[in-house]
Amino acid sequence: EAGVTQFPSHSVIEKGQTVTLRCDPISGHDNLYWYRRVMGKEIKFLLHFVKESKQDESGMPNNRFLAERTGGTYSTLKVQPAELEDSGVYFCASSQDGGRKTQYFGPGTRLLVL
Amino acid sequence: AQRVTQPEKLLSVFKGAPVELKCNYSYSGSPELFWYVQYSRQRLQLLLRHISRESIKGFTADLNKGETSFHLKKPFAQEEDSAMYYCALTPGRNSGGYQKVTFGTGTKLQVIP
Repeated sequence: EAGVTQFPSHSVIEKGQTVTLRCDPISGHDNLYWYRRVMGKEIKFLLHFVKESKQDESGMPNNRFLAERTGGTYSTLKVQPAELEDSGVYFCASSQDGGRKTQYFGPGTRLLVL
Repeated sequence: AQRVTQPEKLLSVFKGAPVELKCNYSYSGSPELFWYVQYSRQRLQLLLRHISRESIKGFTADLNKGETSFHLKKPFAQEEDSAMYYCALTPGRNSGGYQKVTFGTGTKLQVIP
């Protein structure tokens, strides 16, 4: 069974540009999460989808970040315009339906904003 | 607010020595506690959770509500244990947003041959 996949694995962009990250969850997983680790800090929750609906987006840093999950399958996280402080590793995770299901993480996308 | 603290950024031990990775948390209710591990060039994965009360790869962790701690222990370290370890919590099942994971900053375990 394929795990959670993320694309791209690395992205280097200039301040002010736009970047879109993609996450493909494990097939059949209704829950999809985005997290971010900024250099030297902890992994922080960004948001949680249940199917195509945003269940919790309390961790989204500001309105430059837009997450979508049209159709309830893959998700995209767009940063527009990117700022230097957006640099970090963006992780996606998915889990089956239900409260205590294990979250399976993707390999992450390393974003560097210059 | 929920918070997870891992005081050590790096822990170096010799092979065969005991390991204890410290984790303290703050949360007003009854959270669920986890340890995640990330081996070199691999993705983050769940190691163990306190509700399972199980030992994985020789590691155990006991939830101490009085001290709000969830330290990870292993009696004899092995070289393949070298990795980044993250302590994490989610709110209790009866709390809103119970699937949101709060992570600590992580401790890098280095097992010296």
